[in-house]
Amino acid sequence: GESVGLHLPTLSVQEGDNSIINCAYSNSASDYFIWYKQESGKGPQFIIDIRSNMDKRQGQRVTVLLNKTVKHLSLQIAATQPGDSAVYFCAERRADSGGGADGLTFGKGTHLIIQP
Amino acid sequence: DAGVIQSPRHEVTEMGQEVTLRCKPISGHDYLFWYRQTMMRGLELLIYFNNNVPIDDSGMPEDRFSAKMPNASFSTLKIQPSEPRDSAVYFCASSFGYSNQPQHFGDGTRLSIL
Repeated sequence: GESVGLHLPTLSVQEGDNSIINCAYSNSASDYFIWYKQESGKGPQFIIDIRSNMDKRQGQRVTVLLNKTVKHLSLQIAATQPGDSAVYFCAERRADSGGGADGLTFGKGTHLIIQP
Repeated sequence: DAGVIQSPRHEVTEMGQEVTLRCKPISGHDYLFWYRQTMMRGLELLIYFNNNVPIDDSGMPEDRFSAKMPNASFSTLKIQPSEPRDSAVYFCASSFGYSNQPQHFGDGTRLSIL
């Protein structure tokens, strides 16, 4: 989900469990989506991307699902590890930017905490 | 392989001073982006360049902000004069091509204006 101000949504999962992080994007014209992971004191790190002509894409331990009907994106992380603890951002890129809102539009982020 | 390199990592200065942030993109990347991250507003795009030419600076908050890219391996973001509300983490990112290519981020400059 989205957050306002200082409070990020937090997802706490047990080590070894699967986690699902959700993101509602805003623009039906967006054609490209990315998930980033950000650890404290570091920049966003690319995890996985998906184009709008796909509804699912898998990487190593991660899967991204795209539902264009409801403008929803999710990131599934299998068998979570302590190193997965971070803030996760979804980002979208508009297809019709045409000199307007170029670059990526980021969600507010979700804080994933892995419990030992 | 070297990623995006930003300097300084931290900057603390008094309001009214000029601040210059630096970025070296990944070699071969033709797009360079400057973002700002705050708790209240998250990650916001400020400006981006293609082949060293500024394409969209609509995210630059005020005339106090300016960015240059004199060559393919270097960009600066300057704030003059700086104000306390400019305090944030500033990120530089680069990508090869623009459409459907992920941007790769540096580790940012944490700027504090007193």
